[in-house]
Formats: sequence, C-alpha cells, structure tokens
Amino acid sequence: AQKVTQAQTEISVVEKEDVTLDCVYETRDTTYYLFWYKQPPSGELVFLIRRNSFDEQNEISGRYSWNFQKSTSSFNFTITASQVVDSAVYFCALSEAYYKLSFGAGTTVTVRA
Amino acid sequence: GAVVSQHPSRVICKSGTSVKIECRSLDFQATTMFWYRQFPKQSLMLMATSNEGSKATYEQGVEKDKFLINHASLTLSTLTVTSAHPEDSSFYICSPLPGLSSYEQYFGPGTRLTVT
Repeated sequence: AQKVTQAQTEISVVEKEDVTLDCVYETRDTTYYLFWYKQPPSGELVFLIRRNSFDEQNEISGRYSWNFQKSTSSFNFTITASQVVDSAVYFCALSEAYYKLSFGAGTTVTVRA
Repeated sequence: GAVVSQHPSRVICKSGTSVKIECRSLDFQATTMFWYRQFPKQSLMLMATSNEGSKATYEQGVEKDKFLINHASLTLSTLTVTSAHPEDSSFYICSPLPGLSSYEQYFGPGTRLTVT
C-alpha cells in the first residue's frame, strides 16, 4: 500500500506565481517523521525540511512554507513567488522506523519565465 | 551539511558484467547505510539496509544475490550489481546514517547505471 501520496504529477506555473504541492501520508505509528526533498535535473537530492509527528507548527523558510495537519494526514508544501530555479522534482517522504524512508511518487514543478 | 560521495557518478556497462558502486561518508561515521534505486521518472525505492560488519537486509523483491552490499567500514559501503541486465539501468543512491539522533537524512549524489 502506498504510504505517501503525491497526487499532482506535474505542475507548471509562470514565474512569481505561488505553487502548492500536496502530500498525504498513511501510518499507524504515533511517532514518525515527514520530509520534503528537492531533486533538480542533476539528480542529487536536496533536503528541505524534516518534521516530527508531535510538531504540528507550520514552518516558513524564505519563500518555502509547510503546512502539517495530522487530522488530515497531510504535509503540504508551498513555494511563494516561484522562480525558474525552483524547477525540479519534489518528493515528500515518510519515516516510520529507523530512518527508512518511503517516498511519494514526486511532483515535477516547472516554472516558466 | 555532511558530505557523501559516490563513485562512479555515471557508468555504462555491457549486459552480463558486474559493476561496483562506492559510497563514502566523508565527515562522519555511518553505522547504517541505506541503498535506494530510482528508475527514470519514478520515485526512490529502498533496496536494502546494511549495518557495518553485518549482512544487509533486503527489501521485498530485491535479489540479494544480484545486488551485493558490503559495509566493511564506518565510512565506506559498496553496492555491486552482478550480471547486470538492461532492466538494472537505474539511478542508485546511497544514504548513510550518522546516528539515530541525526536530524537530516543524508544522500549521496547518486550513480547512474546504464546497461547496454
């Protein structure tokens, strides 16, 4: 069964538009971690954020923000005022036990100038 | 952030040959190493978990005799794809774990394997 669902396969926006990436997860554990990674065309994964299951505070880092809602098992990611450099594949991931990550299918974001 | 290297970054080999991929954690010791595989335009899938000095644990559907993992030291792990076939062409990524208190999950830059 899919533990992490990223329903959006591809999103295309014009520069300066906001873009929100959805992530829905499934777990029976009470302690777990959620991650977002960026994978540019080079292939190397870039860590963006880690959130543990007990911390539901939303977080903002520059143009990036994350909304964690346990009630809906969602951990959505918003890029504000998108830029061409934001073009990449973004993965949401869940860690239930011992740092093994279950990745979502990924969302390809294309930002057009 | 921590530095993780993988070698080679790209490799092309002929069907039936074996390929060894090295993963090194350059500034920390990793008692545990995860190996992931990513097929083109797909997500990352965990292949196996290895602990230094012991046998690797493979995920369901991953052939342990085909994908040999050696984690002989705390800074080096190798993945050998034996008798490679075109369907093994993929992006292989290692992820060393510095310790259970680590905040960030580190990943290597990946190795792109193409089997012709």
